[in-house]
Amino acid sequence: DAKTTQPTSMDCAEGRAANLPCNHSTISGNEYVYWYRQIHSQGPQYIIHGLKNNETNEMASLIITEDRKSSTLILPHATLRDTAVYYCIVRVGPTDSWGKLQFGAGTQVVVTP
Amino acid sequence: KAGVTQTPRYLIKTRGQQVTLSCSPISGHRSVSWYQQTPGQGLQFLFEYFSETQRNKGNFPGRFSGRQFSNSRSEMNVSTLELGDSALYLCASSPDGGSGNTIYFGEGSWLTVV
Repeated sequence: DAKTTQPTSMDCAEGRAANLPCNHSTISGNEYVYWYRQIHSQGPQYIIHGLKNNETNEMASLIITEDRKSSTLILPHATLRDTAVYYCIVRVGPTDSWGKLQFGAGTQVVVTP
Repeated sequence: KAGVTQTPRYLIKTRGQQVTLSCSPISGHRSVSWYQQTPGQGLQFLFEYFSETQRNKGNFPGRFSGRQFSNSRSEMNVSTLELGDSALYLCASSPDGGSGNTIYFGEGSWLTVV
């Protein structure tokens, strides 16, 4: 399985952009990068996913490097409600990955006033 | 569109008992997967069902089982409960569970075993 490496924690000032890095140096060509976040005691919330191209939605932007070995999740204007654990996940190959997300420890993001 | 619904939200059971948790996926989603979350082990994949068949399975003992009904609703069962089964159990659904699909989670069922 392709593995991901994320910083354990990071702080961000409210109103500023939060840039969350993720390394996935062993990613294969058909493996997607997914980002989820989990606010304490709630189910994980889907943020965004991508294969090769950069992606943007109403929550965030996902920047994937050309070699696909790393990516960055960008929360453009962090709010206190963005305080959560953020998970970067690489989905393994098509048949092994039915319904399966392999979560690591994630990055604890704390947004401060 | 309603999200993934899990019931019950909280429950307390005694060691040795069994428990059944229920999950209603997002309308139109045919893949349902289950996860266990504990402080020590984090989020771990239990199994995935599609069209009433288990299609993928994590590394859990046989005490953990599940099923899916023709309307895609799913249940998971844990028999002979142990203290270590205390956890947040999460259900997730996606259109077909394939890579590239978005997987959406419910709020979970908190199980405490005493």
